[in-house]
Amino acid sequence: NAGVMQNPRHLVRRRGQEARLRCSPMKGHSHVYWYRQLPEEGLKFMVYLQKENIIDESGMPKERFSAEFPKEGPSILRIQQVVRGDSAAYFCASSPRRDDYGYTFGSGTRLTVV
Amino acid sequence: GESVGLHLPTLSVQEGDNSIINCAYSNSASDYFIWYKQESGKGPQFIIDIRSNMDKRQGQRVTVLLNKTVKHLSLQIAATQPGDSAVYFCAENSRANQAGTALIFGKGTTLSVSS
Repeated sequence: NAGVMQNPRHLVRRRGQEARLRCSPMKGHSHVYWYRQLPEEGLKFMVYLQKENIIDESGMPKERFSAEFPKEGPSILRIQQVVRGDSAAYFCASSPRRDDYGYTFGSGTRLTVV
Repeated sequence: GESVGLHLPTLSVQEGDNSIINCAYSNSASDYFIWYKQESGKGPQFIIDIRSNMDKRQGQRVTVLLNKTVKHLSLQIAATQPGDSAVYFCAENSRANQAGTALIFGKGTTLSVSS
């Protein structure tokens, strides 16, 4: 079991470009959660998805950010027209069931906007 | 608003000592709490959890205590080792809606263990 796989590990984008972050959950896990971590801070919840559905996006900025988890393939966190303030580590976690809080986290994608 | 916080941002201990990391939470409706460990450059790793119907739970070298009266959570690490050096986060569940839930994390305590 390869665990939660995130790619790329590091991503550099110029201001105004698009960033696409990918997350493949653990085998058998259909619930995916995205968190953002700013330097020296905790993890901030962004969005919770189940296959083909967004369950809770209360932590997502209203503009430029979107997430999907299609029937086939990884979950994608998309950031359009990136700004310097988007620089952070983005972590994905997965769980097998709703209300199973023992999330398994990936190693994260470190986004740097220059 | 709902928040989970930690009392101290850093904690330094000697190898072999016992460590206690504290956390205060504000959402009295939370019924599940978890401690995570995050090493540099890695994702958070599950350590131990506790439900609100318990006040103590033990694992291997770790114990979590929950005091619902004062909304306080603590993580005790026995015989702390250099490999325990990391950032420790407490987290609570937060029922954003009927369909699902998400964990809310505190800011973290950095544990440094010296030999």
